[in-house]
Amino acid sequence: DGGITQSPKYLFRKEGQNVTLSCEQNLNHDAMYWYRQDPGQGLRLIYYSQIVNDFQKGDIAEGYSVSREKKESFPLTVTSAQKNPTAFYLCATSDRGDYEQYFGPGTRLTVT
Amino acid sequence: SQQGEEDPQALSIQEGENATMNCSYKTSINNLQWYRQNSGRGLVHLILIRSNEREKHSGRLRVTLDTSKKSSSLLITASRAADTASYFCATPNTGTASKLTFGTGTRLQVTL
Repeated sequence: DGGITQSPKYLFRKEGQNVTLSCEQNLNHDAMYWYRQDPGQGLRLIYYSQIVNDFQKGDIAEGYSVSREKKESFPLTVTSAQKNPTAFYLCATSDRGDYEQYFGPGTRLTVT
Repeated sequence: SQQGEEDPQALSIQEGENATMNCSYKTSINNLQWYRQNSGRGLVHLILIRSNEREKHSGRLRVTLDTSKKSSSLLITASRAADTASYFCATPNTGTASKLTFGTGTRLQVTL
């Protein structure tokens, strides 16, 4: 987990509220990713960014938004349009030309 | 969509035994990676095997790759209780090398 911080570790929100998950890295990596993981499941890609001020939708982008204004930061906003937001959210980074991804410790979001 | 599918979904063994888990994928790849996830934590990269390699070792880990069968296996020898975790294979997406598609994972339980 070193070099990538996600905060908070646990987050509780009421239905209908937007919530922003933080991801910060000091690895100087160009690419950053957001994944969602549901219990007993694999990871599904929400959004990714290969360079500052640019990002692309992943497989399940609906109801989510991101920004990449700084190389170090890639916040994810879970909007009220996301129908089932309760999940474990993981942020990852990778260096240019490198296939390996490095993961943060995750944020568990519960929406009631 | 899931590129990799792990088998078995769950595996329970005793300490000292070997654990083998398999991954099948659908399209041509340049490499295949294995990751480990302890419960409630982020993923940790274990090993990467390139398409021109058939076998790779790292400590107690041995990975094989059979591109003709589109499959890979991860062998953990002399397992320890600390190896208890979920293990995922991941393959780069064709066209966007920085994106990875993760399998559904194998949950390994190592008992004393």
